[in-house]
Amino acid sequence: GAGVSQSPSNKVTEKGKDVELRCDPISGHTALYWYRQSLGQGLEFLIYFQGNSAPDKSGLPSDRFSAERTGGSVSTLTIQRTQQEDSAVYLCASSLLRQETQYFGPGTRLLVL
Amino acid sequence: AQSVTQPDIHITVSEGASLELRCNYSYGATPYLFWYVQSPGQGLQLLLKYFSGDTLVQGIKGFEAEFKRSQSSFNLRKPSVHWSDAAEYFCAVGVQGAQKLVFGQGTRLTINP
Repeated sequence: GAGVSQSPSNKVTEKGKDVELRCDPISGHTALYWYRQSLGQGLEFLIYFQGNSAPDKSGLPSDRFSAERTGGSVSTLTIQRTQQEDSAVYLCASSLLRQETQYFGPGTRLLVL
Repeated sequence: AQSVTQPDIHITVSEGASLELRCNYSYGATPYLFWYVQSPGQGLQLLLKYFSGDTLVQGIKGFEAEFKRSQSSFNLRKPSVHWSDAAEYFCAVGVQGAQKLVFGQGTRLTINP
């Protein structure tokens, strides 16, 4: 079946612009996660959605970062007023249930000039 | 705080040789443990996982890992590597069940022909 998909695959933006990154989880998966992979920090948890529960935002690095999940499926990660240190690969994952294996998408590579 | 240590940043082995990648974790409760592999420009692919039960777990592509609670380790092994195994390998511990994954810094594997 189809895996986790993310778009765009690459994004180049100028410092100060806003960007939106999209994640389509595996159909039927109730949990969705965002991670960031950067050279300096490795792989970091950002945010987690489970069904209709309030998301766990404990990993978001600043209030410039936000995410939403509409209809319990597609999620959008928004970065406002991008900074050069936001340059990274943003990975999305989904799992069938809360305590199940996470399956990752190919990521969105973000470059902030 | 939870943490994962992969002591080897880069390992080089010859094709056909055996492989062991080390992983040590720090976590107060019974851990959920994972190994993921990432090829260049790709997302993370699950190799294997340990939730409970038999401490020797088998994964895809001929990999296995052994959970040793006394050593807080979850080392990944393969008896004979193939050139296609060249990639980056990440060990992760799932906290709060498997809601958040805390990753090690990764080990980059190079295969000599």
